Amino acid sequence: KAGVTQTPRYLIKTRGQQVTLSCSPISGHRSVSWYQQTPGQGLQFLFEYFSETQRNKGNFPGRFSGRQFSNSRSEMNVSTLELGDSALYLCASSLAPSGSTLNYEQYFGPGTRLTVT
Amino acid sequence: QQQVKQSPQSLIVQKGGISIINCAYENTAFDYFPWYQQFPGKGPALLIAIRPDVSEKKEGRFTISFNKSAKQFSLHIMDSQPGDSATYFCAASSDTDKLIFGTGTRLQVFP
Repeated sequence: KAGVTQTPRYLIKTRGQQVTLSCSPISGHRSVSWYQQTPGQGLQFLFEYFSETQRNKGNFPGRFSGRQFSNSRSEMNVSTLELGDSALYLCASSLAPSGSTLNYEQYFGPGTRLTVT
Repeated sequence: QQQVKQSPQSLIVQKGGISIINCAYENTAFDYFPWYQQFPGKGPALLIAIRPDVSEKKEGRFTISFNKSAKQFSLHIMDSQPGDSATYFCAASSDTDKLIFGTGTRLQVFP
């Protein structure tokens, strides 16, 4: 079974631009979560989607948004990029969403390394 | 209430030794406690997970010990190998909340 895939793997953008990252979950997984990882802040939750609906959202500004498609693939968008948005953006998929007692094991993709200059 | 505190920040162990990483939580509603292993340039990989109905879970050289009354759980890596050198994250979630991660422990195993 193929794992979680994320594209692109690396991205360099300038301040003020916007960026879209893509995530394809493991086949059969319907829940997708996004995380931002930085050396200073660690792994921070961005949002979670299940069946095309946002279930949870972390404490990030409205410049960060996401969506999920009917095939469970997900995208996240960051508008008006700032230097502080430079990070590794990780996508994780699971069979069931948070709040489930079963099958909530999350499997991470390799991440997209975003550098904002 | 939402924090998961992880220690130590870094750990150096000789090959063959035992690596122990500890985590503590406050939210008594947490009911799922996974550990993730992350190598440089890779995403975190699920290593082992436990639910509070058991006090210990073992998978190969990896063991989670769980102390519900103390609100603590730990990862033990027996017979540590250089290939175990990575960053380890504990995490916790409840039936109403997403995964909350610890700050990570960088483990270095020297031959």
